[in-house]
Amino acid sequence: RKEVEQDPGPFNVPEGATVAFNCTYSNSASQSFFWYRQDCRKEPKLLMSVYSSGNEDGRFTAQLNRASQYISLLIRDSKLSDSATYLCAVNLLTSGTYKYIFGTGTRLKVLA
Amino acid sequence: EPEVTQTPSHQVTQMGQEVILRCVPISNHLYFYWYRQILGQKVEFLVSFYNNEISEKSEIFDDQFSVERPDGSNFTLKIRSTKLEDSAMYFCASREGGHEQYFGPGTRLTVT
Repeated sequence: RKEVEQDPGPFNVPEGATVAFNCTYSNSASQSFFWYRQDCRKEPKLLMSVYSSGNEDGRFTAQLNRASQYISLLIRDSKLSDSATYLCAVNLLTSGTYKYIFGTGTRLKVLA
Repeated sequence: EPEVTQTPSHQVTQMGQEVILRCVPISNHLYFYWYRQILGQKVEFLVSFYNNEISEKSEIFDDQFSVERPDGSNFTLKIRSTKLEDSAMYFCASREGGHEQYFGPGTRLTVT
């Protein structure tokens, strides 16, 4: 099983739609969780950290389910500018240091 | 807003040559990372660096690679004797003490 797994998509949604992505992780010792946004040939940009209690930032909501070992990202009222690849990342403590492992990303296309 | 910077943005080199990729992490950050992303693939961890030494490295980071913090601001990745399969985007990232890390814009390395 891959350490971090995402559906590659693409998810094609109309403007204004709500879309949700899931990401599963295999190592129960994973400490911290993140969603990044990556535009084509650009660097990953931190979208939000994911906390056990869930967190919301405007149209974006992230949830963590430790029991089932997945995190989710919900985007409400999708905009054309939300079109990008969304990467999930987990932070694992190994040998006393933190290592970040990324999923392959889920591609989102918001259509006019 | 402080940001991670990387130079050059694009480097073309011939197989067998040595390249040095440069990064200036955010000034008060303590932890530094190099990642690689082959076109169309996921972001892969290469190495983490803290307190002037490597704290973790992946299986990709073999003897061909080395990192250095030659002064108080720069963080470099050296690739000796480049191979065709080293062609990729190389991202530097840094973080303060928390878990959120921030990426530079990347260097696109093309080995011919």
